[in-house]
Amino acid sequence: EVQLLESGGGLVQPGGSLRLSCAASGFTFSSYAMSWVRQAPGKGLEWVSGISGSGGSTASADSVKGRFTISRDNSKNTLYLQMNSLRVEDTAVYYCAKGGWGPPFDPWGQGTLVTVSS
Amino acid sequence: EIVLTQSPGTLSLSPGERATLSCRASQSVSSSYLGWYQHKPGQAPRLLIYGASSRATGIPDRFSGSGSGTDFTLTISRLKPEDFAVYYCQQYGSSPFTFGPGTKVDIK
Repeated sequence: EVQLLESGGGLVQPGGSLRLSCAASGFTFSSYAMSWVRQAPGKGLEWVSGISGSGGSTASADSVKGRFTISRDNSKNTLYLQMNSLRVEDTAVYYCAKGGWGPPFDPWGQGTLVTVSS
Repeated sequence: EIVLTQSPGTLSLSPGERATLSCRASQSVSSSYLGWYQHKPGQAPRLLIYGASSRATGIPDRFSGSGSGTDFTLTISRLKPEDFAVYYCQQYGSSPFTFGPGTKVDIK
């Protein structure tokens, strides 16, 4: 069974940093692109960042470019999202999902809550 | 960037009724890369339809997708109580992998 488990969320002050992790199991991790998607309170889904299976290609939404960095460690079957210079508007539940650049987003993790507040 | 627009914003229906949800793209989307997701509060989003019209594993046949180019439709033939949720369309072929703003299907 394919499983994705996010961790690393929490409360952080504006301007601070946080690193999210997504542990994957049940599939050949290195063969698939992975993505991060977020949902701010009362809002819809917003794609944040994606990375190819090898890690050689990445892409990010304009709203996070220059602040967030996606990466992966295929030896550990783990996806990461390094979030720097966090803003109040980055407050959201962050989901990792298997997919992008062709394959649909399936499945999704349960999400981890990031709250940016002073 | 491909912008997706969904209509209506909210659909109020009763169990047993038919739901028709629309997704319109600002430019042509390859049908191979258009998907629909169901999202309930406190849960992970779930893939329903991929490639515009193919049902994901385990999705009941009351869910169907159609369309091409810039106009796509998700149809739920007979609503069950567990179908009341928010539905999003998404294009996942080229980054940014944009989502529509969602259609909330609630109980009338």
